[in-house]
Amino acid sequence: DAGVIQSPRHEVTEMGQEVTLRCKPISGHDYLFWYRQTMMRGLELLIYFNNNVPIDDSGMPEDRFSAKMPNASFSTLKIQPSEPRDSAVYFCASRRQGVGEQYFGPGTRLTVT
Amino acid sequence: QQQVKQSPQSLIVQKGGISIINCAYENTAFDYFPWYQQFPGKGPALLIAIRPDVSEKKEGRFTISFNKSAKQFSLHIMDSQPGDSATYFCAASPAGGTSYGKLTFGQGTILTVHP
Repeated sequence: DAGVIQSPRHEVTEMGQEVTLRCKPISGHDYLFWYRQTMMRGLELLIYFNNNVPIDDSGMPEDRFSAKMPNASFSTLKIQPSEPRDSAVYFCASRRQGVGEQYFGPGTRLTVT
Repeated sequence: QQQVKQSPQSLIVQKGGISIINCAYENTAFDYFPWYQQFPGKGPALLIAIRPDVSEKKEGRFTISFNKSAKQFSLHIMDSQPGDSATYFCAASPAGGTSYGKLTFGQGTILTVHP
């Protein structure tokens, strides 16, 4: 298996622009998680899905952030409009039902100038 | 109550030494305690995990010690190697149901093992 796939790996954008991050989970995994990692706040869970349904979005920082999972093999995290404080590495992870281990993707490094 | 506190922030160990990283939690609903290892430019990867029904779990050079009454757990890396140099995160989540795997991470420990 190719593991969790994220794109793009790097994104540089200007403040106010819309940013879309993409994730393909491991085939057969029922759960998908979006995390944000910064030096100041560490690894934060933003939102997670079970069978394509959002279960908990309490970590989504503001209405500027939204996430969708239209099918079992694809999810997006969108930031509109982006701000410099959104600069971080965003990780997607997936896991199988009943198994604790989460498999993380390589991350997308977002820089908002 | 959702916090997981991790210490130290950074750790320097000589090759062959023992690395010890500690974590403490408050939420008694936590029932699954994994440790993740992260190398620069990579996503975290599961190293070892424990449930509170055992006090210790060992996998190769890595051991988790768990103290349920104190709500603390620790990672011990025996015979530390330069290749172990990475950032280590403890985490915790409830077990079971849809909250299983909703991980709360510690702040991370940067481990450097000198040759």
